[in-house]
Amino acid sequence: EAGVTQSPTHLIKTRGQQATLRCSPISGHTSVYWYQQALGLGLQFLLWYDEGEERNRGNFPPRFSGRQFPNYSSELNVNALELEDSALYLCASSFGGSGNTIYFGEGSWLTVV
Amino acid sequence: AQSVTQLGSHVSVSEGALVLLRCNYSSSVPPYLFWYVQYPNQGLQLLLKYTTGATLVKGINGFEAEFKKSETSFHLTKPSAHMSDAAEYFCAVSGPYTGGGNKLTFGTGTQLKVEL
Repeated sequence: EAGVTQSPTHLIKTRGQQATLRCSPISGHTSVYWYQQALGLGLQFLLWYDEGEERNRGNFPPRFSGRQFPNYSSELNVNALELEDSALYLCASSFGGSGNTIYFGEGSWLTVV
Repeated sequence: AQSVTQLGSHVSVSEGALVLLRCNYSSSVPPYLFWYVQYPNQGLQLLLKYTTGATLVKGINGFEAEFKKSETSFHLTKPSAHMSDAAEYFCAVSGPYTGGGNKLTFGTGTQLKVEL
């Protein structure tokens, strides 16, 4: 069974541009999570989607946004890119409900120059 | 709010020696606790988790962790380190949330180095 898949693997953008990252959850999972792993800042929670709705949001500016599609896949959009947005963006999925295991994808490396 | 503290950002052990990675949590409700491993340039892989029941949890690759409520700890151990264990290890806490979901709060990670 396929795990969580993310695309693209690497993305290079110029400051001020927009980036779109995509994620396909494990089949049957309805919840999708996005995390940012920036150098020196650890793993920071960005967004949680479940059944097509945004359920929770981390402490990030509004230029970080996303959505979940009817097939439960998700995309993360980062507008007005800044140099400090350079990071590994990890998508994860789980069945709905507390305590279920969260499975992570391999991540998308975003470099802003 | 929940939080996780991992003592020691870098731990070095000899091959065959005991691995002990420390994790303490703060939570106002009984938490769910997780250990994840991250190999270079890869995503996170679940080692083990505690939700309810037996407090000694066994995971993959010979790792185990014990939930100690009185000490608010969930330390990760492995009796004998192998070179392939060299990686970064993250402790995380979540829920339970009345609204469901599994937002994870991570510790800052511990880089494990295994020496010959």
